[in-house]
Amino acid sequence: GAVVSQHPSWVICKSGTSVKIECRSLDFQATTMFWYRQFPKQSLMLMATSNEGSKATYEQGVEKDKFLINHASLTLSTLTVTSAHPEDSSFYICSARIARGGNQPQHFGDGTRLSIL
Amino acid sequence: RKEVEQDPGPFNVPEGATVAFNCTYSNSASQSFFWYRQDCRKEPKLLMSVYSSGNEDGRFTAQLNRASQYISLLIRDSKLSDSATYLCVVSPNSNSGYALNFGKGTSLLVTP
Repeated sequence: GAVVSQHPSWVICKSGTSVKIECRSLDFQATTMFWYRQFPKQSLMLMATSNEGSKATYEQGVEKDKFLINHASLTLSTLTVTSAHPEDSSFYICSARIARGGNQPQHFGDGTRLSIL
Repeated sequence: RKEVEQDPGPFNVPEGATVAFNCTYSNSASQSFFWYRQDCRKEPKLLMSVYSSGNEDGRFTAQLNRASQYISLLIRDSKLSDSATYLCVVSPNSNSGYALNFGKGTSLLVTP
């Protein structure tokens, strides 16, 4: 079945570090990938929609200069949290939907747990 | 008003019980509906899609009422392994370029 791979699973960094998270679709091409963030006991919140070959679309309140997204190929999107601070600590998850007709669900990566000290 | 609303619970039920979760959504133009399950500190996993005619998958039954903008999930014969958070998920479009809107989730704890 379709698989989305996300790396790394855990990151613990000092404040001020930039962190890159990779999201790969392993057996399908994804022209669109999505980046979500989830704080404890909260719902998944969409941060941005990553479009292959073009600029990402950011949700209101998400700083595009803070969360850099690059979708350079049909199977890879990256999210870079620049100069991360403790308030950026969260669970970051990427997802993609197969570009096929019908009621296609999204497939999620395993998520990246980011802790900024 | 939030786009997808769910009762957060928690629902504590004994093993073997039947439990039902409800969800309402605000966008009447929504096209795709799902129930996802999320275990603690893990990514969401698709439990089942929800179709207008209602659908069943083993012990799980999902219903959609478009007129009332309401989705339900029924779990029969609860197992300990059903303990998780159940996310009601709605998408404005079935196209792959559209993201999903998540409810906050309903927590279920099945006890021996």
